[in-house]
Amino acid sequence: KAGVTQTPRYLIKTRGQQVTLSCSPISGHRSVSWYQQTPGQGLQFLFEYFSETQRNKGNFPGRFSGRQFSNSRSEMNVSTLELGDSALYLCASSGGSNTEAFFGQGTRLTVV
Amino acid sequence: GQQVMQIPQYQHVQEGEDFTTYCNSSTTLSNIQWYKQRPGGHPVFLIQLVKSGEVKKQKRLTFQFGEAKKNSSLHITATQTTDVGTYFCAGRMTTDSWGKFQFGAGTQVVVTP
Repeated sequence: KAGVTQTPRYLIKTRGQQVTLSCSPISGHRSVSWYQQTPGQGLQFLFEYFSETQRNKGNFPGRFSGRQFSNSRSEMNVSTLELGDSALYLCASSGGSNTEAFFGQGTRLTVV
Repeated sequence: GQQVMQIPQYQHVQEGEDFTTYCNSSTTLSNIQWYKQRPGGHPVFLIQLVKSGEVKKQKRLTFQFGEAKKNSSLHITATQTTDVGTYFCAGRMTTDSWGKFQFGAGTQVVVTP
């Protein structure tokens, strides 16, 4: 069974631009969560989606948004990029709220 | 702010020694999960604890969930170089299914031969 797929793997953007990251969960998984990982802040929770509905949202500004499609694939969008948005963005899928999460390899975003 | 705290942040261990990393929450958790992230990799699920006082073992790893469901620990015996990585705990904040799921900052483990 294929794992969680995140695209692209690497991305370089300039300040002020916007970016869309994609996550394809494991087949059959309906829950997708997004995390931002930086060396100093660890894993910071961004959003959690289940069946196209946002179930939870972390403490990030409105520039960070996401959505989930009917096939459970999810996208995350960051508008008006700032240097501080440089990070590894990880997506995780699971079968539900209390089951193990499977992480993708992540998208390494660099804002210059 | 961070509601799930992990200590220590760094752990240098001599190969063969034991060590413990702790996870503490300011609120009651419905469950807690532990993940391991190798350098350059992504977090990989290790275990989930749900019941108060639960203890689970995986070979040299022992996981505990506190009686109050606010803290957890991971104890590794006879550390090996393959144990290198960052260990994260992650807890569901409330007893509702969709309470916020929060990761601790992780314990980075370095093993010296």
